[in-house]
Order: sequence, then structure tokens, then C-alpha cells
Amino acid sequence: GQQVMQIPQYQHVQEGEDFTTYCNSSTTLSNIQWYKQRPGGHPVFLIQLVKSGEVKKQKRLTFQFGEAKKNSSLHITATQTTDVGTYFCAGISNFGNEKLTFGTGTRLTIIP
Amino acid sequence: KAGVTQTPRYLIKTRGQQVTLSCSPISGHRSVSWYQQTPGQGLQFLFEYFSETQRNKGNFPGRFSGRQFSNSRSEMNVSTLELGDSALYLCASSLNGAGLYNEQFFGPGTRLTVL
Repeated sequence: GQQVMQIPQYQHVQEGEDFTTYCNSSTTLSNIQWYKQRPGGHPVFLIQLVKSGEVKKQKRLTFQFGEAKKNSSLHITATQTTDVGTYFCAGISNFGNEKLTFGTGTRLTIIP
Repeated sequence: KAGVTQTPRYLIKTRGQQVTLSCSPISGHRSVSWYQQTPGQGLQFLFEYFSETQRNKGNFPGRFSGRQFSNSRSEMNVSTLELGDSALYLCASSLNGAGLYNEQFFGPGTRLTVL
């Protein structure tokens, strides 16, 4: 079945440093969504990418969707303490039963 | 506009029992999906409902079932509970027929503990 892996699993950065999480799917994706889950909270939608090679920016966050639509990345510039949380990618495979498959997540902690 | 609400927020059951969880989507949202979140398996898709019909289903046994009512509210049922069913159950709603292809608005979840 479809698998979506994220690396790294954990990332500790000093406040002000950059952060990147990578998302890799075993199958081609129709779309990729990114969510952020704060400790004790629920996932909150950040963005959706649908086109091959697409790049979108939200303030300090940059999202990319790979040319082959099997991988994606989220880059945060100059992290702040408010960026703490777990970042998940999620996508729907082009083939078979449509289900939103979530990545394994990257937990970001910020050292003040 | 109120967000997605889930009841109850916490639940303790024993093995073999059954449980029903409830989800009220954001007003006007017609797609409701359910997810199980555990430390070991992460966030896993259970099923999605739209207009009272199950449209998509994840890889969970038949003990997990759901339904959606005409007002878009949804319930999820787990029968013959197992210890491994202990998890945070999240419900999410989205606006229209695009369902899973749209932004998912998650509720706070129901924390189920099976003893």
C-alpha cells in the first residue's frame, strides 16, 4: 500500500535557525497537503500543492512539490518559538482507493 | 463560525465493549472524515462520508464503522474493543464534494483509552 515517510523524525534547532522537513511517497500523489499539530492540539491545515514542481510561500514558510509528484518539502526560515510542533505532509495517491495518507511527521523543537 | 466539535472528549472503556464517537462538522461542510492517531502508527485515515454515503475507506477492520446523518453530523463506532484501539480519534470536515482534496478542518479529538 501507499507509504509516506518524512525525515527527519525529530529536529531541534536554535531559535533563528532554518528548518526543513522532507516528505517522500512510495506512489505518485494527486496532491500534497501540509499540516501543523501543536503539542496537545489537533492538526491545522497549512497549504495544499497540486502541480508538479509547484512552489508556494507563506511568510517564512516555503513549500515545494517535486517534479515527479512523489516528494515534497517544507522549509522554515529563521524559526521562532511559535513554530514548535509536529509537521505532517499528507497526500492522495493517483491510483486505487482514495484515502488521505499522512506522513510520519517531523517534530520540531526550538531552543530559545 | 464554530469549529468542528467532537464528543465525548475523553472515554475509558474495557476490552470487548463497543464505543460510539460523535462529530459535528463546521456549518455548511458536507464531507466528514475520521482518523486514528497513535504514537506507533501515526495519523491513519479511517473513512470519509459525504451526503450520508461512505466514499472512501482506509485499511481498518470491519469493527470500525461509521455513518453520516442528513445534517452532516457523523458518528463512528468501534465494536469489540481491543487494547490497541486506544488512540486519539480525530474527525475532520471539508467544505464540498472535493472532500479529501480540500483543506481538512480537524476537531479536537476524542481520547479513547481501552483497559
